[in-house]
Amino acid sequence: DAGVTQSPTHLIKTRGQHVTLRCSPISGHKSVSWYQQVLGQGPQFIFQYYEKEERGRGNFPDRFSARQFPNYSSELNVNALLLGDSALYLCASSLEGDLGPYEQYFGPGTRLTVT
Amino acid sequence: SQQGEEDPQALSIQEGENATMNCSYKTSINNLQWYRQNSGRGLVHLILIRSNEREKHSGRLRVTLDTSKKSSSLLITASRAADTASYFCATADTNAGKSTFGDGTTLTVKP
Repeated sequence: DAGVTQSPTHLIKTRGQHVTLRCSPISGHKSVSWYQQVLGQGPQFIFQYYEKEERGRGNFPDRFSARQFPNYSSELNVNALLLGDSALYLCASSLEGDLGPYEQYFGPGTRLTVT
Repeated sequence: SQQGEEDPQALSIQEGENATMNCSYKTSINNLQWYRQNSGRGLVHLILIRSNEREKHSGRLRVTLDTSKKSSSLLITASRAADTASYFCATADTNAGKSTFGDGTTLTVKP
């Protein structure tokens, strides 16, 4: 079975632009989470979606938004990009969103560079 | 702020030796997971231990959890050069999809 997939792999944007990152979870997984990983640090939780509803939000500004589609894939949107948004954006899926605990599986990430 | 803190920040050992990494956290948890990451790529799930478990094994990996001390350890036995990577612990007070990560331990295994 395919693992978590993310697109694009790399992205270069200019300050002030917006970006959309995409994620497809493992087949059968209903929960998708997004994390931001700045170089040299651990991932930081941004959002969790389960059954198309937001189930958690980390300490990120409103410029960050996300949604989950009926097929459980997800998009992360970031508006008005700042240099500090440059990071590896990781998507993770798990079987359930509330019951658990269930293991979380990560995709390869999208490397975003803001210039 | 990060809840989990890994110790040491960096560890360098010879192939065949054992590697032990520690993780401390601050609040009560439902579960704790360990992950490996190679060179800024995606994280690979290694093992999940529940709050009511004290020890878990998976191949060359052994994880312990002490909820009274709010700490966990990851032991890699008979290390290999391919084990060179960053290792992260992640804690969740509810489901694993809202995990809080530490900044990781960078392990270098010399052949």
